[in-house]
Amino acid sequence: GQQVMQIPQYQHVQEGEDFTTYCNSSTTLSNIQWYKQRPGGHPVFLIQLVKSGEVKKQKRLTFQFGEAKKNSSLHITATQTTDVGTYFCAGPYGNEKLTFGTGTRLTIIP
Amino acid sequence: GAVVSQHPSRVICKSGTSVKIECRSLDFQATTMFWYRQFPKKSLMLMATSNEGSKATYEQGVEKDKFLINHASLTLSTLTVTSAHPEDSSFYICSARGVSNNQPQHFGDGTRLSIL
Repeated sequence: GQQVMQIPQYQHVQEGEDFTTYCNSSTTLSNIQWYKQRPGGHPVFLIQLVKSGEVKKQKRLTFQFGEAKKNSSLHITATQTTDVGTYFCAGPYGNEKLTFGTGTRLTIIP
Repeated sequence: GAVVSQHPSRVICKSGTSVKIECRSLDFQATTMFWYRQFPKKSLMLMATSNEGSKATYEQGVEKDKFLINHASLTLSTLTVTSAHPEDSSFYICSARGVSNNQPQHFGDGTRLSIL
C-alpha cells in the first residue's frame, strides 16, 4: 500500500531559526495536504497543494509540491514558540481516505 | 472553518465497559467520516471510513465487532468500543469531510480513553 514518510522525525530549533520538514510518498499523489497538531490537540488543516511544482505561502510558512508529485516540503522562516507541534503531510489513497505521513515534531528552544 | 465536535473528550472506565464516542459536523454535511487512533508521539492510524447510511469500511487488522461504527446521518457518526480492555486505551480522533477526497478533513478534538 501507499506509504508516506517524513523526515526528520524530530526537530529542535532555537527560536528565530528556520525549520523544514520533508514528505515523500511511495506513489504519485493527486494532491498533498498539510496538517498541524499542537501538543494535546487535534490535527488542523493548513493547506492543500494540487499542481506539480506548486509553491504556496502562508505568512512565515512556505509549502512546496514536487515536480513528480511524490514529495513535498514545509519550510518555516524565523520560528516562533507558537509553531510548536507536529506537522503531518497527507496524501489521498484511493477515492476515500488519506494516508498521513509519519510526522515531524517541532520543539522550540526559547 | 468547518467545525467538528467530538464527545466525550475524556473517558476513564473499568475493563469490560462499552464506550460510545460521538462525532458531529456542526456546519456542513459530512458525506464521509473517518475514525483514527493515535498512540503517543505517533501518527494517525486510520481505523475505519464511514459513509452515511452504509456500513463502515474497516482497515486491515481492525476488529469490526470490537469497534462498532454507525453513521446514521450526514452530521453524526458514532464509534462504540465494546467490552473495552486496557489495551484499547488510546486517543481516538474522528474527522469529517465533504464529497471529494480532494477536500480537507476536519478533525474533532479527540477522545482520550483510559481503561483501568
